[in-house]
Amino acid sequence: LAKTTQPISMDSYEGQEVNITCSHNNIATNDYITWYQQFPSQGPRFIIQGYKTKVTNEVASLFIPADRKSSTLSLPRVSLSDTAVYYCLVGQGEGANNLFFGTGTRLTVIP
Amino acid sequence: GAGVSQSPSNKVTEKGKDVELRCDPISGHTALYWYRQSLGQGLEFLIYFQGNSAPDKSGLPSDRFSAERTGGSVSTLTIQRTQQEDSAVYLCASSLRIRDRGWSGELFFGEGSRLTVL
Repeated sequence: LAKTTQPISMDSYEGQEVNITCSHNNIATNDYITWYQQFPSQGPRFIIQGYKTKVTNEVASLFIPADRKSSTLSLPRVSLSDTAVYYCLVGQGEGANNLFFGTGTRLTVIP
Repeated sequence: GAGVSQSPSNKVTEKGKDVELRCDPISGHTALYWYRQSLGQGLEFLIYFQGNSAPDKSGLPSDRFSAERTGGSVSTLTIQRTQQEDSAVYLCASSLRIRDRGWSGELFFGEGSRLTVL
């Protein structure tokens, strides 16, 4: 199973770029890498997804090295509203039944 | 609304009672997941439904937990003889598609049902 490992917490000042790395040594060939954001008392919300190299959307970038054993979520110029828990999720492959979320990284943005 | 709807949003029950939690997925979504989140913890997978296939129940913590999905749409998670350790937020998510080359697709989560067992 492609379990994931992330730092438990990170702090950052407003306006800085934040990089959160996720390790997934047992990722399978068919697995995609997806990141979610969760605010208190809410369900997780999709941020970005990728398979290899780099993906960028309006809120974040995702960097995936060639061996795909890790991935890095990059949040440019964070604001206080980016304070949340960020989860890295790796698909289980063909037919993807049970999708495992890791413990998540609690990001605190400091004024 | 077009999102995943869960009810009740809050449920307080006494130890030993049965509870039912309901999830209305986004219309047309074939995949439905249940997760459990204890206070300050990550998401724990419980069960997965995909279309008319047999559900993956590998995450259910005990035989007190069961879930069904009627007509490929609404799902109900039932917890029998609740225990205090069952207190958590139960989250439901649905997804539109699973590509041929492995999982790909966004999970849409509901707001969750907060269960408190006294």
